[in-house]
Amino acid sequence: EVQLLESGGGLVQPGGSLRLSCAASGFTFSSYSMSWVREAPGKGLEWVSSISSSGGTTYYADSVKGRFTISRDTSRNTLYLQMNSLRAEDTALYFCAKDQYLAYYFDSWGQGTLVTVSS
Amino acid sequence: EIVLTQSPATLSLSPGERATLSCRASQSVSSYLAWYQQKRGQAPRLLIYDASSRATGIPARFSGSGSGTDFTLTISSLEPEDFAVYYCQQRDNWPLTFGGGTKVEIK
Repeated sequence: EVQLLESGGGLVQPGGSLRLSCAASGFTFSSYSMSWVREAPGKGLEWVSSISSSGGTTYYADSVKGRFTISRDTSRNTLYLQMNSLRAEDTALYFCAKDQYLAYYFDSWGQGTLVTVSS
Repeated sequence: EIVLTQSPATLSLSPGERATLSCRASQSVSSYLAWYQQKRGQAPRLLIYDASSRATGIPARFSGSGSGTDFTLTISSLEPEDFAVYYCQQRDNWPLTFGGGTKVEIK
């Protein structure tokens, strides 16, 4: 059974940084691309970033490009999202998602970790 | 960026009724479109991918159709557990984008 467990969320001041982690199990982590998707309070889903299975290719939404960095550690079966220069509009529930094999659809999701950016 | 417009925003129906949800893309996404269901307080769940393929474990009452710019998710007979928010998502072009969602509520 696929399990994705996010951690690292919390309250941070504008301009601050956080690193989110997603511990994966139940599948061959190194074979799948992975993604982060967020849901702001009262809003819909917004794709944030994706990383290829090898980690060699990354993609970002324009809203986070230059501020967020996605990475993965195959030895730890863990996905990361380093978030810098945080803004109030980054406040959201951040989901880690496993991508469908060779396709950027999200076939398994974690329960999310809440990031609140406020002074 | 490809914009996905979902309609209606809210659909009020009774259990047993048929639900028809629409997703329109600002440019062609071929058949690279998925549908997700999200219940309150839960993570989304993949229902349909590549416009018409059901994901693993998804009941046959859920079906998807369309290609190019116009797509439809149909729930043939609503069960109580189907009342939720539904999102479409395209993977034809970066950035990946979601529609704004359709809430299916109990009438």
